[in-house]
Amino acid sequence: DAGVIQSPRHEVTEMGQEVTLRCKPISGHDYLFWYRQTMMRGLELLIYFNNNVPIDDSGMPEDRFSAKMPNASFSTLKIQPSEPRDSAVYFCASSRQGLNTGELFFGEGSRLTVL
Amino acid sequence: AQTVTQSQPEMSVQEAETVTLSCTYDTSESDYYLFWYKQPPSRQMILVIRQEAYKQQNATENRFSVNFQKAAKSFSLKISDSQLGDAAMYFCAYRTLPAGKSTFGDGTTLTVKP
Repeated sequence: DAGVIQSPRHEVTEMGQEVTLRCKPISGHDYLFWYRQTMMRGLELLIYFNNNVPIDDSGMPEDRFSAKMPNASFSTLKIQPSEPRDSAVYFCASSRQGLNTGELFFGEGSRLTVL
Repeated sequence: AQTVTQSQPEMSVQEAETVTLSCTYDTSESDYYLFWYKQPPSRQMILVIRQEAYKQQNATENRFSVNFQKAAKSFSLKISDSQLGDAAMYFCAYRTLPAGKSTFGDGTTLTVKP
């Protein structure tokens, strides 16, 4: 089975531009998480979904950030407008309740650089 | 809110030796999961070992073992016979039950010296 797939792997954009990061979770997984990793702040949970419904978005920095999960196999994280301080690696992870393991499966991350 | 603290930003070990990474957490829950994840330079996070809070027996996976002290809220990772491929950043993580969000520590960068 394919793992969590994220795109793009790298994105370089200019301040003010819209950025869309994409994630395809592992088939059958019902939880999806978006994390942001920076040197200063470590690994921060931005938002997570259960069965496509956002459960906790308290980690979303501000209104410039939005996330959607239109179906079980796709999620997006959008930043509009982007700012240099948004530069980070963004990880998507998925898991499945019922396996009783609690493990998160991570994608390879999307490295965002905002100039 | 749950918090996870890794007090060692960096650790170093000689190849073939043993090293222990520390982790403490704070929670009011009685049932939860604890994890150690490894993030190599390639960036993708992978699971090293898992511990269910209701289990008293410490988890072991080959060269990796944990020392889980529930009352002290401590969850350390021991790596035996360290190998060059163990060099990575290691994250301690906590997850609520039933399946909820995971909280991560700030990570410990492990260097393995040949």
